Amino acid sequence: DAKTTQPNSMESNEEEPVHLPCNHSTISGTDYIHWYRQLPSQGPEYVIHGLTSNVNNRMASLAIAEDRKSSTLILHRATLRDAAVYYCILRDVSTYKYIFGTGTRLKVLA
Amino acid sequence: DGGITQSPKYLFRKEGQNVTLSCEQNLNHDAMYWYRQDPGQGLRLIYYSQIVNDFQKGDIAEGYSVSREKKESFPLTVTSAQKNPTAFYLCASSKYIVRSYEQYFGPGTRLTVT
Repeated sequence: DAKTTQPNSMESNEEEPVHLPCNHSTISGTDYIHWYRQLPSQGPEYVIHGLTSNVNNRMASLAIAEDRKSSTLILHRATLRDAAVYYCILRDVSTYKYIFGTGTRLKVLA
Repeated sequence: DGGITQSPKYLFRKEGQNVTLSCEQNLNHDAMYWYRQDPGQGLRLIYYSQIVNDFQKGDIAEGYSVSREKKESFPLTVTSAQKNPTAFYLCASSKYIVRSYEQYFGPGTRLTVT
């Protein structure tokens, strides 16, 4: 199973952009890159996903490197409600499984 | 409102007892999943189901059992054979399993076994 590597923690100031990196050097051609976030004692919340091209939605942007060995989740203006653990996950469409790591704990400073 | 319901939020049991965790969804999703999360860790897949009356073991199925008699429901039983059952249990669903559809998670059940 392909795995991801993320920094354990990051800090950001409120209303500034945040770039959360993820390395996935063993990614295969069929692996989608998913991002979820989790607040304490809650279920994870879907943020965004992509395969090859950069993706935007109302919550965030996903920038995928040309070789697909890394990606970056971009929160354009961090708010206090964005403080959470962010998981970068690969999903192989043939095995159906998500492989969760320990994620990046994002702290947003007021 | 469409979503996933898990009950109860907190559950306490004595060692040696089986316990069933409820998961219901009204999203009309085909696929459902059960995960376990230990403190400071990511999620690990216990079981998943693609359609009614079908389910597959995930990475840590030992000591757990599931059923999928209805599309909306996917209960998880934690049996006395599960050596370390105390954990946060999360149920999820997605429209389909074979495409890259996102998963929607329930609020979780925190199980404590003493």
